[in-house]
Amino acid sequence: NAGVMQNPRHLVRRRGQEARLRCSPMKGHSHVYWYRQLPEEGLKFMVYLQKENIIDESGMPKERFSAEFPKEGPSILRIQQVVRGDSAAYFCASSPNGGLATGELFFGEGSRLTVL
Amino acid sequence: DAKTTQPTSMDCAEGRAANLPCNHSTISGNEYVYWYRQIHSQGPQYIIHGLKNNETNEMASLIITEDRKSSTLILPHATLRDTAVYYCTPRQNSGGSNYKLTFGKGTLLTVNP
Repeated sequence: NAGVMQNPRHLVRRRGQEARLRCSPMKGHSHVYWYRQLPEEGLKFMVYLQKENIIDESGMPKERFSAEFPKEGPSILRIQQVVRGDSAAYFCASSPNGGLATGELFFGEGSRLTVL
Repeated sequence: DAKTTQPTSMDCAEGRAANLPCNHSTISGNEYVYWYRQIHSQGPQYIIHGLKNNETNEMASLIITEDRKSSTLILPHATLRDTAVYYCTPRQNSGGSNYKLTFGKGTLLTVNP
């Protein structure tokens, strides 16, 4: 039962370093979504991607954050020059189609980034 | 998007029904009510959703009031593994940006032995 796979599960970076978070969607899913959950806060949408395309990045911070979902391989969320405020759990979700006809998103276990 | 209000925490005895309320008085006519939960250190898990009729699946039942301003998620026989934060979130179900799930603080349900 291969669900959404995220790695690493835990990542520690020093201020100024880069963080790369990877997400492999469920088999047959071509739509990927990234969310961020800050400590003691709710989940917030960041970006929605299909293969090789960014559909909606309205929730992404304007600087230092980027995402991609190449034709081959996992989706990558990249955070450059990390700061302490980037410490959070980053969740990836996938769905088999856009529009979410069934309304269900399938989430991974998350990647927990700690910036020292 | 409609705002929601949920109790911060609730307790339930193992084997008993857990009834989790959610107020969404500003919900619009084309928004469904979605429920997700998040067990500690795990990703959110979809539970159920509905528009205006009551819904039931293998996990839970969803009761939506006639005016759609509130709903109740019912776990009929709570187990220790149901201890989690439960999120209620209204959302459009087709087109638009219905993937923009936004969770608030939710309700921490603690199931006690």
